Amino acid sequence: GENVEQHPSTLSVQEGDSAVIKCTYSDSASNYFPWYKQELGKGPQLIIDIRSNVGEKKDQRIAVTLNKTAKHFSLHITETQPEDSAVYFCAEYSSASKIIFGSGTRLSIRP
Amino acid sequence: DGGITQSPKYLFRKEGQNVTLSCEQNLNHDAMYWYRQDPGQGLRLIYYSQIVNDFQKGDIAEGYSVSREKKESFPLTVTSAQKNPTAFYLCASSGQLAGEQYFGPGTRLTVT
Repeated sequence: GENVEQHPSTLSVQEGDSAVIKCTYSDSASNYFPWYKQELGKGPQLIIDIRSNVGEKKDQRIAVTLNKTAKHFSLHITETQPEDSAVYFCAEYSSASKIIFGSGTRLSIRP
Repeated sequence: DGGITQSPKYLFRKEGQNVTLSCEQNLNHDAMYWYRQDPGQGLRLIYYSQIVNDFQKGDIAEGYSVSREKKESFPLTVTSAQKNPTAFYLCASSGQLAGEQYFGPGTRLTVT
């Protein structure tokens, strides 16, 4: 069945450095790839997304890249700040299926 | 102020009791979802509803039940048949794009 593999499961970076989280999907029909940020004790919040007809999208310090041929997409956070500490989930979606989430990455920013 | 509300934030129950978790949205979304999240793990789909008076089982529906009598409301009942009900429960809704989901703040259920 369809699944999304997300790596790493935990990531610790120095404040100001960059963080990269990678996901691999299996459903070639998937055409929408959102990223969610979940802070402690709260619900996930959509932070950025990318559609299959685009290779990269940026929003201030965060960016997402998509390689449809290799079936993987990545989240890039630059100039990390303490408030970036959270759990990040990738997801894939196609109109023929329901959304499928990755297992999450716990990002910690060291001061 | 549009969004999804879940109540209560914390819920405690004795084993063997049914408990209902509330989820309300004022985003005018057709689709609503319930997920379960265990410590350090991802999101597992329990039930979803794409339209009023209709719902489908997700990946882990056993021991749970739902209703969708109103567009705005999608309550989840955790029954005594659920073997391990202690978890963090998240409700979500989506508009035209099902992949773009809006989550509520969650309810942490503890059953002892």
